[in-house]
Amino acid sequence: DAKTTQPPSMDCAEGRAANLPCNHSTISGNEYVYWYRQIHSQGPQYIIHGLKNNETNEMASLIITEDRKSSTLILPHATLRDTAVYYCIVAGGSYIPTFGRGTSLIVHP
Amino acid sequence: GAVVSQHPSWVICKSGTSVKIECRSLDFQATTMFWYRQFPKQSLMLMATSNEGSKATYEQGVEKDKFLINHASLTLSTLTVTSAHPEDSSFYICSARDFSSMNTEAFFGQGTRLTVV
Repeated sequence: DAKTTQPPSMDCAEGRAANLPCNHSTISGNEYVYWYRQIHSQGPQYIIHGLKNNETNEMASLIITEDRKSSTLILPHATLRDTAVYYCIVAGGSYIPTFGRGTSLIVHP
Repeated sequence: GAVVSQHPSWVICKSGTSVKIECRSLDFQATTMFWYRQFPKQSLMLMATSNEGSKATYEQGVEKDKFLINHASLTLSTLTVTSAHPEDSSFYICSARDFSSMNTEAFFGQGTRLTVV
């Protein structure tokens, strides 16, 4: 019972913005959108999360549509080190992180 | 951000032996920690939820007698793979959340690569 849908893979040129989409059409009112990434052979890393407002931190920006049924993670200037699998998770505040297949982002020179 | 430290990073053991993996929250108290397993080219699969001072809650299909979890303090949870077999070879990852704070993000250890020969 997947709560989110992400494309299996994407690629991006180094220095360009990487825009990773996530569909979550069944999101409920008290559920947040979380983004994590996993670089090969490492544990996942938290990136950003939001409820309904757009959010920005030192790593990325999160754009959530007004109806909250989809969101986009933006890496403004992708580097080779951003090559990873990116996971979008929708959950309430007391969630247990569970992972789908995510999007494998490859940043190329 | 908060740090979760996992040890060892990798281990090779003989079939039939047991292996213990430690997960520590370094700068916050983790009343709950999570253990995952990840096979090559697959996503993380939740194995169990570890609660401080009580028995762990295992996901369906995970043998609790084989994967012993102990969460004796607010900063340490251990996973022991007992009588390991080659099919237990995998990448094991722990995670913790600071439920006492307003922050809801989870923090992950660096993972332990277990190879059973």
